[in-house]
Amino acid sequence: QSALTQPASVSGSPGQSITISCTGTSSDVGGYNYVSWYQQHPGKAPKLMIYEVSNRPSGVSNRFSGSKSGNTASLTISGLQAEDEADYYCSSYTSSSTLWVFGGGTKLTVL
Amino acid sequence: QVQLQESGPGLVKPSQTLSLTCTVSGGSISSGDYYWSWIRQPPGKGLEWIGYIYYSGSTYYNPSLKSRVTISVDTSKNQFSLKLSSVTAADTAVYYCARAPRGQWWFDPWGQGTLVTVSS
Repeated sequence: QSALTQPASVSGSPGQSITISCTGTSSDVGGYNYVSWYQQHPGKAPKLMIYEVSNRPSGVSNRFSGSKSGNTASLTISGLQAEDEADYYCSSYTSSSTLWVFGGGTKLTVL
Repeated sequence: QVQLQESGPGLVKPSQTLSLTCTVSGGSISSGDYYWSWIRQPPGKGLEWIGYIYYSGSTYYNPSLKSRVTISVDTSKNQFSLKLSSVTAADTAVYYCARAPRGQWWFDPWGQGTLVTVSS
């Protein structure tokens, strides 16, 4: 069982917006602005999409945005495109001895 | 740009030691600005952070694996390595190496990953 809770799947049609949630505790998501999001296409390595809750690395589309409220972080993808179909993982620093925790992943299907 | 590449045996017998190496290109592992991590992903499951090493050799391991994990660095070869002892089928996974900025808490970039299967 993953430390952070994500929905197993979400779906949306091209052009729509979707949001993926990532719920933790005050020891991780809620306590620090160190949430990051990764996109993983089948058979590929994860790719950093968002860091420190809402920052986009250079080269990542501005259709991807992140936010946080309390113990829940969210990744929003606007203007869905077929290429966005992938698995998405959240991660956070944790004050526990584990240091880093991940969510179980969310499969995004573009209908 | 920095690239990471994992290498090592794809099949390990139960009770033996899994050994992998990550070669860093396009940048120096000795820059001091980064932590170098191992992360794994069992088939069809989520990600698990294993541990990291700093170029000086200081390490930090996930407590759930600490008793079986050793991460080392070879700055002359620009590589760092993972050893996981007493493996079982539960250690079957894709193993990734990744870089994290020192003092920050995200991974970028990642290696392409290598599948290690534990089976007799």
